[in-house]
Amino acid sequence: DSGVTQTPKHLITATGQRVTLRCSPRSGDLSVYWYQQSLDQGLQFLIQYYNGEERAKGNILERFSAQQFPDLHSELNLSSLELGDSALYFCASSSPGTDINTQYFGPGTRLTVL
Amino acid sequence: GQNIDQPTEMTATEGAIVQINCTYQTSGFNGLFWYQQHAGEAPTFLSYNVLDGLEEKGRFSSFLSRSKGYSYLLLKELQMKDSASYLCAVLDSNYQLIWGAGTKLIIKP
Repeated sequence: DSGVTQTPKHLITATGQRVTLRCSPRSGDLSVYWYQQSLDQGLQFLIQYYNGEERAKGNILERFSAQQFPDLHSELNLSSLELGDSALYFCASSSPGTDINTQYFGPGTRLTVL
Repeated sequence: GQNIDQPTEMTATEGAIVQINCTYQTSGFNGLFWYQQHAGEAPTFLSYNVLDGLEEKGRFSSFLSRSKGYSYLLLKELQMKDSASYLCAVLDSNYQLIWGAGTKLIIKP
């Protein structure tokens, strides 16, 4: 158990809908990262937050947005969903200054868009 | 651009040794990570190298040569549970993690 929690575990929805994925980082970690992994594909970095502020942006679509709250949990919002958005979405957290930005991953949310 | 190359797939036999290579070209270097990912599960941290040389951790070892932009993960005494994808990732000059596509390792009895 990495200490990173994600909810929900599974999500099934229809095209055009909007969903919110939630992540709680490990205790003490200030950075949160979001990744998308489609079937048999590599990890695609979406976005990073550090202590509430956006730190880095990857290949995140305009239909997707994220935020990190004062209690450090983060949410990833996916809107106008398309079939191609079906994937595993992972959240990871890290704490700079301790173990050199090692990212610890949550169990993921499996999103299925029908 | 930034690039990390690793073989797409490798096959090995239970009880044997396998070496998974990773070459990288990144803007700056602040360390290299190896992660293991079983199908449908989260990646889990295996090792971190920032200095040249070999780091050994039980059955797993990781090697780094910064001058060659090269690393390998060595798995000894392979077990069936080692069947997984192995991800190489480099921390660049901005402390952003650049990920390789992963190597799928298949272990045969």
